[in-house]
Amino acid sequence: EVQLLESGGGLVQPGGSLRLSCAVSGLNFSNYVMSWVRQARGKGLEWISVISGSGGGTNYAASVRGRFRISRDNSKNTVYLQMNSLRVEDTAVFYCVDGGLGYWGRGTLVTVSS
Amino acid sequence: DIVLTQTPLSSPVTLGQPASISCRSSQSLVHSDGSTYLGWLHQRPGQPPRLLIYKVSNRFSGVPDRFSGSGAGTDFTLKISRVEAEDVGIYYCMQATQLMTFGPGTELHIK
Repeated sequence: EVQLLESGGGLVQPGGSLRLSCAVSGLNFSNYVMSWVRQARGKGLEWISVISGSGGGTNYAASVRGRFRISRDNSKNTVYLQMNSLRVEDTAVFYCVDGGLGYWGRGTLVTVSS
Repeated sequence: DIVLTQTPLSSPVTLGQPASISCRSSQSLVHSDGSTYLGWLHQRPGQPPRLLIYKVSNRFSGVPDRFSGSGAGTDFTLKISRVEAEDVGIYYCMQATQLMTFGPGTELHIK
C-alpha cells in the first residue's frame, strides 16, 4: 500500500520559516517525481513545487520562487519543503503528491499569522 | 502560464443521471513527447483529492468505469454515466504538460 505522510506544519509568524517533510512508503521512491500542492481553506488547488527522482531538477510556482526550496533524501524516502519568509497568504493545507498525482498525503496545515 | 477554465462551476445533478464537466486550456496540452498530460481529480469535503483520469482518458486504479474522459488539444470533458451519491464534491481538471496547473473546480451536488 502506498502511503505519504506529511509533517512539520503549524503556526508561524509572518516572516518566519517552516520545514515540511513527507515520508513515502510503498513506492520505488527514487523513481518518482514528487510535488507539493497547497490548498487554502475553501479554495482550489495550487501547485507549489516539483523535484525529479534524482533530486537534480526542481521547479517552483512564481508565488513561492525564491522563498521555498524543495529537496529529497532518497535514502530516507522523504521529500522536504523548506519555507522561508512566510506570508499570511501562504496559509494552507500542504499536500505531498507523486508526479502523476495518483498518490496524495493527508496534508499538513500551515498557518501564518501574528 | 497555462490557464485552465472549467464549465460549469456548479452542477446540480440527479442520481442515476449523467453529468458532464468541461475543461478548456489557454494553450495546447500536447507535450513535445506526444502525450497530453490532462487529468481529472475529485475531492470530497475534508479529504485530499483523488485522481480519477490521467492523460485525458485513462482511468486510475480503482476508479469506476462510469467515469470517462475525452478530448484533445485544448478542450476536454469528464463524463459520469450515472451519478451516484458518493460522486458529490468538487472536480478539478489539471495539466502537467507545462509544470502544473489546476482548473478552478466544479462543484457537483444533488438536486
